[in-house]
This record gives sequence, C-alpha cells and structure tokens, in this order.
Amino acid sequence: DTGVSQDPRHKITKRGQNVTFRCDPISEHNRLYWYRQTLGQGPEFLTYFQNEAQLEKSRLLSDRFSAERPKGSFSTLEIQRTEQGDSAMYLCASSLGGTEETQYFGPGTRLLVL
Amino acid sequence: GQSLEQPSEVTAVEGAIVQINCTYQTSGFYGLSWYQQHDGGAPTFLSYNALDGLEETGRFSSFLSRSDSYGYLLLQELQMKDSASYFCAVSMNTGFQKLVFGTGTRLLVSP
Repeated sequence: DTGVSQDPRHKITKRGQNVTFRCDPISEHNRLYWYRQTLGQGPEFLTYFQNEAQLEKSRLLSDRFSAERPKGSFSTLEIQRTEQGDSAMYLCASSLGGTEETQYFGPGTRLLVL
Repeated sequence: GQSLEQPSEVTAVEGAIVQINCTYQTSGFYGLSWYQQHDGGAPTFLSYNALDGLEETGRFSSFLSRSDSYGYLLLQELQMKDSASYFCAVSMNTGFQKLVFGTGTRLLVSP
C-alpha cells in the first residue's frame, strides 16, 4: 500500500453513461498525475496537477474527459458519454515535488464499458 | 516521438540473476525509473537513475548510461514473488517529471 487510494476499484458502465473516479494522494504530496493503462501496455500520461492547478493535459484526454483537484488534495476524473474504447485501468499517482519526484501509484480503477 | 524498448518476456529460475534492458529515444530526458507491476496491481516504484552508473537497492540494481540511451534492471536471488511485469519509464525534462513508460517486460520465475 503506497498511501494513494482510488475509488471505486472497479466500474462497469454502459456506453454513453458518465463515470467519475476519485483519487486521494499521499497527504503531503502536492503533485498528482492521472495515467491510463490498457492490457499489455505501460501506463500513458493523461494529466498533471501542481496543487489545484492543472498544468498539462495529454492529447489522449479528449473533451469528454475532465479532471479537477479543487482544493489541492483529492482529485476527480470524469468521463462523459463513455465509449467502449475508454475501457482501461485508470491510475492515479502522486509525488512530493521539489527534488523528490518519485511517483507513487494508487491501485487504479478498472473501467469496463459495455 | 518517444519510444522505449524492452524485451517482452524473460524467464528464469529461482535463485538466478536476470537483467532487463531498456533503450530509449525521447525528446527530453531527466532520469530513468523502474516499476514493478503484478497482475491486477498498481505499478510499484523500484529504482531511479538520473546519473550514469549503478544504483543498488537490496536484491535490485539499476544502471544507466545516458550517452548510450540505455539502462537495465538487475534482479538477483530471484524469488517466485518476483514474477511480474517490469516497466522502465523516462522522466521528461518538462519541469514536472512526466513519466513515459515502456511496454513492459513480463518476468516468469519458475521453481
């Protein structure tokens, strides 16, 4: 257990529905990342927060995706109008920042879109 | 574009030593990390190299050669529990250490 938690751990939804995932990073970490991982591949970067500011978004993050970190603590990732291609593991990671950049990953949320 | 190449699969027996190589071509480079991931689990940080040379952490060591764009993870005294996927990941020099992952190496340890 790295101290990063994600909820839910599993989500099954029907195509077209909206889903929201939550990530709670290690408490003193000010950097938070979202990645997506499909079977047999490495994680792919989606977006990054420094405190509450979203500083970069991958072009993988279409306009159906939105992420927030309202108070610089937990973060949410919402997918609107889900598609079957959104089925993946969504991983959250956090790091302390400054000179300590090791990223610690949560257990992930596995999404299946039917 | 960015690319990291690793062998797709490596097999070894308990007690043996195995080396997993990683070559990278990226537009920026700050350091090379290694992560372990068991099936259905989260990536777990193993090691990080920002400078050339060998970093040792218990049974695991990691090496980096920046001039060759090459690194490896060395696992010694293999145990059955080491069966997992291992990913190398490059930290881009973007100021916030975005990780770009390789496709991973599946390690199978047999008795």
